[in-house]
This record gives sequence, C-alpha cells and structure tokens, in this order.
Amino acid sequence: NAGVTQTPKFRVLKTGQSMTLLCAQDMNHEYMYWYRQDPGMGLRLIHYSVGEGTTAKGEVPDGYNVSRLKKQNFLLGLESAAPSQTSVYFCAIARQGLSYGYTFGSGTRLTVV
Amino acid sequence: AQRVTQPEKLLSVFKGAPVELKCNYSYSGSPELFWYVQYSRQRLQLLLRHISRESIKGFTADLNKGETSFHLKKPFAQEEDSAMYYCALSGRGSGGSNYKLTFGKGTLLTVNP
Repeated sequence: NAGVTQTPKFRVLKTGQSMTLLCAQDMNHEYMYWYRQDPGMGLRLIHYSVGEGTTAKGEVPDGYNVSRLKKQNFLLGLESAAPSQTSVYFCAIARQGLSYGYTFGSGTRLTVV
Repeated sequence: AQRVTQPEKLLSVFKGAPVELKCNYSYSGSPELFWYVQYSRQRLQLLLRHISRESIKGFTADLNKGETSFHLKKPFAQEEDSAMYYCALSGRGSGGSNYKLTFGKGTLLTVNP
C-alpha cells in the first residue's frame, strides 16, 4: 500500500521544454492537489481536483495544466517550462470533508535551466 | 476568508528546553486545525489534529477559540525535532464546501545540542 506516489523524483529541464508530473494514489480518496514549495513562500496551491473528471485553479495556476481522467491519477503538465518554475512539487490527497487532513507524496524536485 | 499566521519564520532552542510554535487563525466558523512536520528534504507528514486531542512525539496543541490560536508545544525539545512545521486550517466556505486546507508559511525549528 504505497499511498501517494509521485514520478519522477528529480528532473532537469531546459527552458521551453515540456513535461508531465504524475501523482498516483491507491487510497481511493476523492480529492487531489498539486502544490509547489519554495523557500520563504511556504506551500502554494497550483491546481486541485475534487473528483474524477474535475479540476480547479489554485493560487498560482499560470503556466500549468492538470488532468484527472482516472480517479487514482492526477497529472500536472508544464507546456513550456520557465526558470521561475524551478521548485519542489508536492502532490496531496484527502478524503471528502478533510477531517483527516492531507496525505502528501514524497515530492518532485524540478530544475529549469 | 480563511487565514493562518505563523509569526515566526525561524525558531532556535537548546536541547531539553521547552518549545512553542505559534499558530493563529482567522475563520468565522468552527475550524479543524492540523500541524504538519517536514524533516529535511522529505514529505510533509501529519503530526496531529485538534479533533483527536492526541500527543505525538511529545507534542501537544490545544485549540483556543477565544484567542483563535493552535500553538504547538513540547516540554523538552530533542535534536531530532529540528524540522519545518506547518499549521493548517480546514473550514467551510460560504456555500458549505470544504475542499482544501489553508496553510501557514511555516516555522523552521532548530534544536541545538
């Protein structure tokens, strides 16, 4: 029972390249989230989903797209990477109602050069 | 609007000393509050929830609705407590929806030998 699995763990991109980050869960939770974590900025919500086929924007959605075609997977896409997107990206999942808070993935460390 | 404030970005104590990490929130309804801990370069882990009133790794936190606070305390700090700590709030919006947590910016705790 892995919980929340993020792939890849590390990636270096050149400016303008595209990539997709995958978040996969085996806990059958409804809600899924993508956050970025930067020094001094805390956690900032990029996009989230409250169910299969639904997505919504968070605080910092520009430059990112997401999809949730299957309940267990939440994909984060960068169409044209920029150095400002260098960050650590965390996926999180939660049950409806949020009484148990989030379960986080182990993160993806992305560097855009 | 929901807001979580952690007034200290950095907190440094000596081993064996008491530690208190402050968290204040702004929310008009009945909140659910959480503390998360993140050890160096690892995922965020749930430390405790105010609903469960438990003590994890010697840490406790009491919800004070009058002062709108949820401070995290430990009577005797250990070196292994050195980590980033995030306070988070779950509250219902005007439409009754409750889809995401609101995080503070975090406090980096260093316990010196």
